[in-house]
Amino acid sequence: AQKITQTQPGMFVQEKEAVTLDCTYDTSDQSYGLFWYKQPSSGEMIFLIYQGSYDEQNATEGRYSLNFQKARKSANLVISASQLGDSAMYFCAMREGLTGGFKTIFGAGTRLFVKA
Amino acid sequence: DTAVSQTPKYLVTQMGNDKSIKCEQNLGHDTMYWYKQDSKKFLKIMFSYNNKELIINETVPNRFSPKSPDKAHLNLHINSLELGDSAVYFCASSQDAGGLIGELFFGEGSRLTVL
Repeated sequence: AQKITQTQPGMFVQEKEAVTLDCTYDTSDQSYGLFWYKQPSSGEMIFLIYQGSYDEQNATEGRYSLNFQKARKSANLVISASQLGDSAMYFCAMREGLTGGFKTIFGAGTRLFVKA
Repeated sequence: DTAVSQTPKYLVTQMGNDKSIKCEQNLGHDTMYWYKQDSKKFLKIMFSYNNKELIINETVPNRFSPKSPDKAHLNLHINSLELGDSAVYFCASSQDAGGLIGELFFGEGSRLTVL
């Protein structure tokens, strides 16, 4: 069963606007971590933001914030004030604390296009 | 100073050949990984080592053999290469201690093309 689901294969956003990339996950663990990574066209994988399952506050890192809704098992990434350099693939990922060992699993990704 | 470095960045080879990819991290992390990214950009874990011990071995053909000589190095050897092995192979590392879950630090990837 798919544990990380990203339902948007591609998204367009106008420069300077905000965009939300969706991610839902499936786990029976109480302890887990959720991550977002960015992969620009150059190919490297860049860590953006982390949310722990016990964190009560939504994580924020600069223009990135993670909208964590535990009951809905969703961990959407919000990018505010989009820039042309935000055009990239974005991956949601999860590691389960107790049963997941050291395995981080990834969603299929969302390709974001920022329009000038 | 690159945190996670992989060599080579590009490999082009014929079917049936054997190739190796090397990875080194200077972050002092305990855990290292190999991920495979296919042409559709899907990332799948292959192997993980924690302090030189193999802890994750996904359903990967026996032709793939990882080796970790020490906790800073993780190599991947592939025998009898097939067309379907063409992909980008990422090395990554993480530090998981005290119950905290660490993010992955990725190398730049090694693009393998099998002709």
